[in-house]
Amino acid sequence: EVQLVESGGGLVKPGSSLKLSCVASGFTFSSYGMHWIRQAPKKGLEWIALIYYDSSNKYYADSVKGRFTISRDNSKNTLYLEMNSLRSEDTAMYYCGMGPYWGQGVMVTVSS
Amino acid sequence: DVVMTQTPPSLSVAIGQSVSISCKSSQSLVASDKNTYLNWLLQSPGRSPKRLIYQVSKLDSGVPDRFSGSGSEKDFTLKISRVEAEDLGVYYCLQGTHLPQTFGGGTKLELK
Repeated sequence: EVQLVESGGGLVKPGSSLKLSCVASGFTFSSYGMHWIRQAPKKGLEWIALIYYDSSNKYYADSVKGRFTISRDNSKNTLYLEMNSLRSEDTAMYYCGMGPYWGQGVMVTVSS
Repeated sequence: DVVMTQTPPSLSVAIGQSVSISCKSSQSLVASDKNTYLNWLLQSPGRSPKRLIYQVSKLDSGVPDRFSGSGSEKDFTLKISRVEAEDLGVYYCLQGTHLPQTFGGGTKLELK
C-alpha cells in the first residue's frame, strides 16, 4: 500500500524558516518525480514544486521561487521542502505526492 | 503561466443525477510528446486530494466507471453519471503539460 506521510509543520513567525519532510513507502520512490502542493484555508489547491526522480531538475511556482527549495534523499525515501522567508500568505496545508497518491497533509501557519 | 478556468464553481445535485464540469485552459495542453496532461482530482470534505483521471480520459485504479473525462487541446470535461453520496466534494482540474503546473479554481459538488 502506498503511503506518504508529511511532517514538520507548525506555527512560525513571518520571516522565519521551516523544513517539511515527506516519507514515502509502498512504491519505488527513487523512480518517480515528486510534487508539493498546498491549500490555504478555505481556498483551492496550488501547485508549488516538482523534483525529478534523480533530482536533476527542480521547478517552482512563482509564489515560492527563491524562498522554497525542494529536495529528496532516495536512500531514505524522503522528500523535503525547505521554506525560508515565510510570509502570512504561506499559511496553508502542504501535501506531497505524485500521480494518484497524496499524503494527508501538514499544516503550516505563519503568524506573529 | 497557463490559466485553468473551471465552471461552474458549484453544482447542486440529487443522488442518481448526472453532471458535467468544464475546464478550459489558456493554452493548448498537447505536449511535445503528443500526450495531453490534463488531470481531474477530487477532494472530499476533510480529506487530501485524490486523482481520478489522468491524460484527459484514463481512470486511475479503483475509480468507478461512472466517471469519464473527455476533451482536447484547451477544452475538457469531467462527467459523473449517476452521482453517489461518496462523490460529493470539490473537483479540480490540473494541467501537467506546462510548468508551473496549474490547478483550476475548483467545482464544489453538493447535495440538492
